[in-house]
Amino acid sequence: GAGVSQSPRYKVAKRGQDVALRCDPISGHVSLFWYQQALGQGPEFLTYFQNEAQLDKSGLPSDRFFAERPEGSVSTLKIQRTQQEDSAVYLCASSYGTGGNEQFFGPGTRLTVL
Amino acid sequence: QQPVQSPQAVILREGEDAVINCSSSKALYSVHWYRQKHGEAPVFLMILLKGGEQKGHEKISASFNEKKQQSSLYLTASQLSYSGTYFCGTPGEYGNDYKLSFGAGTTVTVRA
Repeated sequence: GAGVSQSPRYKVAKRGQDVALRCDPISGHVSLFWYQQALGQGPEFLTYFQNEAQLDKSGLPSDRFFAERPEGSVSTLKIQRTQQEDSAVYLCASSYGTGGNEQFFGPGTRLTVL
Repeated sequence: QQPVQSPQAVILREGEDAVINCSSSKALYSVHWYRQKHGEAPVFLMILLKGGEQKGHEKISASFNEKKQQSSLYLTASQLSYSGTYFCGTPGEYGNDYKLSFGAGTTVTVRA
């Protein structure tokens, strides 16, 4: 079956531009996560959705970062007024249940801010 | 708090064994292991739960010692396909167990 997909795979933005990153989770998966992965590091938690409810946004680095999942399936991570330190790979993951279950990751979006 | 992995990198010849360690400063009740190949998505390997049980995936197994707050991943008779970066992930407190903190990773290179 289809896995988690993300688009675009690569995004180059000029500093100050807004970007929107899309995640299509596995159909039927209740939980959806966004992570930020810097070069040579492990994924770092950004935010968690259970269906359409954003239950945890404690990892979002600033109020320039915003995520939504309005219908409980597709999710969008938006970054306003991008800065060079936002350059990273943004990973989306989904899981069937809630809690500490196996997470299925997408291939990520590599964001480069010039 | 982020778990600590060691070593940072290991180079193996096909057929050799390796151990990757993951330790945490906080009490653990489970540990997740993932493998990520360059430019690809992290792929789930296994979850270790309280009780010191060992689990396996192919010839990759792991142990979990909750008293020592650490887990070890064992790569046995390594194959070329085992190359990649291995991450351990530790969950948050009960109620926040969805929230994984990942280590910095151990890069494994298996050579023919």
